[in-house]
Amino acid sequence: GQQVMQIPQYQHVQEGEDFTTYCNSSTTLSNIQWYKQRPGGHPVFLIQLVKSGEVKKQKRLTFQFGEAKKNSSLHITATQTTDVGTYFCAEYSGAGSYQLTFGKGTKLSVIP
Amino acid sequence: GAGVSQSPRYKVAKRGQDVALRCDPISGHVSLFWYQQALGQGPEFLTYFQNEAQLDKSGLPSDRFFAERPEGSVSTLKIQRTQQEDSAVYLCASSSRQGPWAYEQYFGPGTRLTVT
Repeated sequence: GQQVMQIPQYQHVQEGEDFTTYCNSSTTLSNIQWYKQRPGGHPVFLIQLVKSGEVKKQKRLTFQFGEAKKNSSLHITATQTTDVGTYFCAEYSGAGSYQLTFGKGTKLSVIP
Repeated sequence: GAGVSQSPRYKVAKRGQDVALRCDPISGHVSLFWYQQALGQGPEFLTYFQNEAQLDKSGLPSDRFFAERPEGSVSTLKIQRTQQEDSAVYLCASSSRQGPWAYEQYFGPGTRLTVT
């Protein structure tokens, strides 16, 4: 499947600061999904983006799909300790594919 | 209803032993996925079932790995002659949607396999 690259690999922020993670691909993505995995937990679906330039919000979380559908971002406003975890982007590899390919994730630590 | 459940939660196997990992998906979910997650990495796709049909097994790393879902509900991932490189968390996920782009997937807690 396609490779999605996530940056940064790690991010440490003070509680109340904002946080952004980026997901990039060298080829056009058909869609992008975001998952959150708490320490010791399992991935939990957050959202799926399909349309070029799409922006979706969930409370303090803002998800964006690039105009060229080659990148996506997740922005958290005013982080809280409950935001701690690893955020993964993932994409279905293409037409007829059942494979969801995950990035390596961005591990977020929040300092209270 | 309950979420996806997996058993056992932890499994220690000696190299060369066979193991069987069980997944109970959310009731009624037609799609079932298996993933392998190494420490510090994202989940890696292993195989996909639509009801009882295994439609994609391209992610299985070797012929020592075998998965089945005979009645379209519970699934078992079997690893024969385990090797140390098989040590990982094995995640099962299910979805109410079918086919490519199965939309959101609901993950189980995983089985942590350690091969000694």
